[in-house]
Amino acid sequence: DIQMTQSPSFVSASVGDTVTITCRASQHIGHLLAWYQQKPGKAPDLLIHGASTLQSGVPSKFSGSGSGTDFSLTISSLQPEDFATYYCQQVDSFPITFGQGTRLEI
Amino acid sequence: EVQLVESGGGLVQPGGSLRLSCAASGFTFGSYWMTWVRQAPGKGLEWVATIKQDGAEEYYVDSVKGRFTISRDNARDSLSLQMSRLRGEDTAVYYCAKTVVGTTRTFDFWGQGTTVTVSS
Repeated sequence: DIQMTQSPSFVSASVGDTVTITCRASQHIGHLLAWYQQKPGKAPDLLIHGASTLQSGVPSKFSGSGSGTDFSLTISSLQPEDFATYYCQQVDSFPITFGQGTRLEI
Repeated sequence: EVQLVESGGGLVQPGGSLRLSCAASGFTFGSYWMTWVRQAPGKGLEWVATIKQDGAEEYYVDSVKGRFTISRDNARDSLSLQMSRLRGEDTAVYYCAKTVVGTTRTFDFWGQGTTVTVSS
């Protein structure tokens, strides 16, 4: 199974800041990675797929990069609605695996 | 508008069974792989099971193999998860999710979730 490890698990930031979350896969997955945002009590929303392709309707303040085993999600100009938990997910193979999540708090 | 509406959750005793359903609308259901993902209270996302468009392929996380069965009825635009021999660790919100067109494992729409509690 491919293990996904996110860091940090928790990050504190302020409105207007830029933050970067990283995700490492236990084996090479090319660009086969997605990022999701989840707010409390809600289902996750797809932000990025193919490691760097912005999902339709997602603002350009979100950007993804990386390939192979190391990936990152950058969120610029943080706004109150961006404070949520973010998950990476490998889409290379079954079993599908998610990172443990990164909680972004004010 | 794509909609996924889960139902069937509830309180069940350990060892019991439950059947979850997901009613889909707003897209051509039979053209997409479909998936169940769960989230235990206060925990992260865990993939549970995935089924191919025609039902010919099914995939499961190891912890539910032999206990859970994913199925679909394309004529009724419905996805199901039959859960048996339930354990406390199956307690979670269960989401059904639709895959991005042309993909198998990337999820662009999710339902609101249905809560399963396994407890005596």
